[in-house]
Amino acid sequence: EAQVTQNPRYLITVTGKKLTVTCSQNMNHEYMSWYRQDPGLGLRQIYYSMNVEVTDKGDVPEGYKVSRKEKRNFPLILESPSPNQTSLYFCASSPANPRVLFFGSGTQLSVL
Amino acid sequence: QKEVEQNSGPLSVPEGAIASLNCTYSDRGSQSFFWYRQYSGKSPELIMSIYSNGDKEDGRFTAQLNKASQYVSLLIRDSQPSDSATYLCAVLNQAGTALIFGKGTTLSVSS
Repeated sequence: EAQVTQNPRYLITVTGKKLTVTCSQNMNHEYMSWYRQDPGLGLRQIYYSMNVEVTDKGDVPEGYKVSRKEKRNFPLILESPSPNQTSLYFCASSPANPRVLFFGSGTQLSVL
Repeated sequence: QKEVEQNSGPLSVPEGAIASLNCTYSDRGSQSFFWYRQYSGKSPELIMSIYSNGDKEDGRFTAQLNKASQYVSLLIRDSQPSDSATYLCAVLNQAGTALIFGKGTTLSVSS
């Protein structure tokens, strides 16, 4: 089944404890991206990757890191999480550009 | 900052009625426009795309685009309770690197 898989679905952590949210797609898509969704603010792009080893900042990259060592994986790293990073995170992929995005199931992160 | 604006709703319509969802965008150079649907607790899914001025129909859904007015709309005919969801308008940025999403309009269809 073609899908974008994110893990974990739910995560509660404490301020400053490094964490990684994994994202993997099995559709051989070139483009991958991370969004966060907050009430009243909608979906905002954190980082994106047009291809392996090519990543760039989106609109809200502060406090986040990404890497794209393989085409299928695009992990999101929070080196020192803070409470303002409490949010619903979505990974998405697309064949070549972000016109048709396939979203993962989301990761609800709470930073205490 | 390029923006995509939508009324947050909720928009309430009775079953069988036409639901009309509207969106405006600030970047006059935008060329590609999309409607995503997001059920509560789920991830967004693409339902329509439109690139040219005019109407594009797909089943009960019609997307309308007016680039001169920087306006995109989505009409849902014969609305069903299963259409109750949040509808997200999205615009591809000129660099082609990101979809810029509106905050979404919540639609409620009552039976």
